[in-house]
Amino acid sequence: QLQLQESGPGLVKPSETLSLTCTVSGGSVNSDSYFWGWIRQPPGKGLEWLGSISYSGSTYSNPSLKSRVTTSLDASKKQFSLKLTSVTAADTAVYYCARALAVANAPVLFDYWGQGTLVTVSS
Amino acid sequence: SYVLTQPPSVSVAPGKTAKFSCEGNNVESKSVNWFQRKPGQAPVLVIYYDSDRPSGIPERFSGSNSGNTATLTIDRVEVGDEADYYCQVWESEDHHMVFGGGTKLTVL
Repeated sequence: QLQLQESGPGLVKPSETLSLTCTVSGGSVNSDSYFWGWIRQPPGKGLEWLGSISYSGSTYSNPSLKSRVTTSLDASKKQFSLKLTSVTAADTAVYYCARALAVANAPVLFDYWGQGTLVTVSS
Repeated sequence: SYVLTQPPSVSVAPGKTAKFSCEGNNVESKSVNWFQRKPGQAPVLVIYYDSDRPSGIPERFSGSNSGNTATLTIDRVEVGDEADYYCQVWESEDHHMVFGGGTKLTVL
């Protein structure tokens, strides 16, 4: 059974960079049949997709955050990561990592999710 | 950018049918996926590609997509179905994954 687990600081200061890592177990990241992505949910709000990356390095990012979001993948460690720069209180959210099925080299739907990790932006 | 609109809440008595709408411009041209999220838990895929059910999801869950509205239906609703339900599509024109705002199901 595929499992994903987010890790990283639970508290980040305003203007700094939020960095999270997702570790995959029970399966491989070495396939272009999938993308590996990040989604967040601010308190009281809905889900927001941040970005996704494939094994071969194809990436997609939310246009509203594109310049602030970077995703990367380390297949040797079975990990992928998110960096979100210049954070503000509005970036406080539960952050999820997830696997997406790839169709025509695009991440069309998430089929496995991590449990999520709360990141608070505060000084 | 593409927008999916969901009503904020739906209430239904146990044993009845719950319907969740997801409105988007010509949404029938896209494949709609539905997720269930219970408090403190990761989202779970309940319907994909408009109407397919992943293994392990009860047959009580079904989906359809026509015109500008996709619909998730839960028959014989149970108390354990209380959750937030989100629709989602991949917008291929600008390479953007879009979620609806979510609908909270309350079982009376």
